[in-house]
Amino acid sequence: DAGVIQSPRHEVTEMGQEVTLRCKPISGHDYLFWYRQTMMRGLELLIYFNNNVPIDDSGMPEDRFSAKMPNASFSTLKIQPSEPRDSAVYFCASSPVGLHEQYFGPGTRLTVT
Amino acid sequence: AQSVTQPDIHITVSEGASLELRCNYSYGATPYLFWYVQSPGQGLQLLLKYFSGDTLVQGIKGFEAEFKRSQSSFNLRKPSVHWSDAAEYFCALRYGNKLVFGAGTILRVKS
Repeated sequence: DAGVIQSPRHEVTEMGQEVTLRCKPISGHDYLFWYRQTMMRGLELLIYFNNNVPIDDSGMPEDRFSAKMPNASFSTLKIQPSEPRDSAVYFCASSPVGLHEQYFGPGTRLTVT
Repeated sequence: AQSVTQPDIHITVSEGASLELRCNYSYGATPYLFWYVQSPGQGLQLLLKYFSGDTLVQGIKGFEAEFKRSQSSFNLRKPSVHWSDAAEYFCALRYGNKLVFGAGTILRVKS
């Protein structure tokens, strides 16, 4: 299997622009997680899905952030409008039901200027 | 509340020396515990996991970890460190369907 795929790997954008991050989970995995990693706050869970349904979005920082999972093989994390404090590495991870560990993608490094 | 503490932000060891990275957790039930490694510019890779049973668990790349309930600890060890082990290491606790991560320990290996 190719593992969790994220695109783009790097994104540089200007403040106020819309940013869309993409994730393809491992085939057959029922859970999908979005994390944000910063020096100040470490790894934070933003939202997770089970069978394409958002289960817990309590980690989403504010209304500028939204996530969707239209099907089992694709998810997006959108920031609109972006701000410099959104600069971070965003990870997607997936996990099959009944298995406790999560498998992480390579991450998207977002820089908002 | 559930939490994971990694007391050491940075650790430097000589190549060939032994390694122990500390992890303490706070959780009211039997924990599911993990160690992940993150190389620069990469995602997190699972090294090993503890769910139940034998308290000494073996992982990939020659790593092992020991679960000690009395000390609420899950320390990661390796008998002989290689230069390629230089990375950041994260201890994590499963809480429901979520993972709670420690702040990470950056390992530097000197030759």
